[in-house]
Amino acid sequence: AQSVTQPDIHITVSEGASLELRCNYSYGATPYLFWYVQSPGQGLQLLLKYFSGDTLVQGIKGFEAEFKRSQSSFNLRKPSVHWSDAAEYFCAVGDAGGTSYGKLTFGQGTILTVHP
Amino acid sequence: SQTIHQWPATLVQPVGSPLSLECTVEGTSNPNLYWYRQAAGRGLQLLFYSVGIGQISSEVPQNLSASRPQDRQFILSSKKLLLSDSGFYLCAWSAGQGVDEQYFGPGTRLTVT
Repeated sequence: AQSVTQPDIHITVSEGASLELRCNYSYGATPYLFWYVQSPGQGLQLLLKYFSGDTLVQGIKGFEAEFKRSQSSFNLRKPSVHWSDAAEYFCAVGDAGGTSYGKLTFGQGTILTVHP
Repeated sequence: SQTIHQWPATLVQPVGSPLSLECTVEGTSNPNLYWYRQAAGRGLQLLFYSVGIGQISSEVPQNLSASRPQDRQFILSSKKLLLSDSGFYLCAWSAGQGVDEQYFGPGTRLTVT
């Protein structure tokens, strides 16, 4: 079964600093990978996704992520963090099996705090 | 455009009482539908998913059940709530038969007292 690990439960950065959120996955085949963001008390919003092709994917709000098969990683990055980026971030892997119907497995999440 | 609705937004229920949470999707047909529960610090746990009317798959054995009486309606129920049922419940939908982006509703905060 697939799994996702987000090693950092909580990260604090200063506004304007760069950001990298880590995600490691376990999946037998080519993974379908996602990053979602959740503001407190809200639903989840997709930031970006990787299905195939270029391993560096661009998303909304200035985020990007790089798929590294050799490291089983899909880390999320942003060159300059804004206070509005404070939220919880979830990495997910999709199960492409025939009877899985697009189920996603989510990591535990990383809470991002941004200091002014 | 597609939208997804959940209600109620918040709910406080005593232990042993029944539960009904509703999710509806607009602007798409034959979506895959999902119920997740989110507990603090524990990520999202997939509870149920459905690929069509009356077709429900359960991921985790528990005292919750789900039903899909119409194509774009997904209901989460319980006959008797437990304290451990407290959490944030999210409904989501996706298109197609393979892996694709899931679109999430605003969620329902359930507190069982």
